[in-house]
Amino acid sequence: ETGVTQSPTHLIKTRGQQVTLRCSSQSGHNTVSWYQQALGQGPQFIFQYYREEENGRGNFPPRFSGLQFPNYSSELNVNALELDDSALYLCASSAQGVGDTQYFGPGTRLTVL
Amino acid sequence: GENVEQHPSTLSVQEGDSAVIKCTYSDSASNYFPWYKQELGKRPQLIIDIRSNVGEKKDQRIAVTLNKTAKHFSLHITETQPEDSAVYFCAASEVDSNYQLIWGAGTKLIIKP
Repeated sequence: ETGVTQSPTHLIKTRGQQVTLRCSSQSGHNTVSWYQQALGQGPQFIFQYYREEENGRGNFPPRFSGLQFPNYSSELNVNALELDDSALYLCASSAQGVGDTQYFGPGTRLTVL
Repeated sequence: GENVEQHPSTLSVQEGDSAVIKCTYSDSASNYFPWYKQELGKRPQLIIDIRSNVGEKKDQRIAVTLNKTAKHFSLHITETQPEDSAVYFCAASEVDSNYQLIWGAGTKLIIKP
């Protein structure tokens, strides 16, 4: 198993609500990437944070936002939840500049009702 | 942007036989190609990766080949075992995109006893 952890494991919200998901990166890693994985599909890149700055963004609306903290842990925030936001949210940490291998956390299963 | 296609979507092989999964990518600037294994309800786990300066890489029963000219790469699993049953994802990324991974749709590998 990797040293990447995520919380919570599962979450149920209703449409219009807001949610915050958390990720702790592996020791020595300064980059966190977030992915959305719908059932039966491959992960879709949301955004990446490197040394507390957004370092690239996929095709997701602005209601998906994030933060990275000085200890390189990260948060994903989703506002105005929609039914289609129901998915597994994965974070992956990597050591930018050292290697590009991404190690994944166990994910947060978000269900929007 | 990058697009990754993966085939087949499902692959069923007899235990002990070999399995081959193929991916093509669109962006010639892509230079990093990891393969992940994802068991049901679990996180994606890196099983092997290859960079564009290498044509082939092997790790015990697993090998990956890369054809930069044709823009395709393949995963080869020999002497398949029941524990190889999972969904396998290929991905591609490039340095200029800060290694943001673009994923294939996945291949469900079934090992028949």
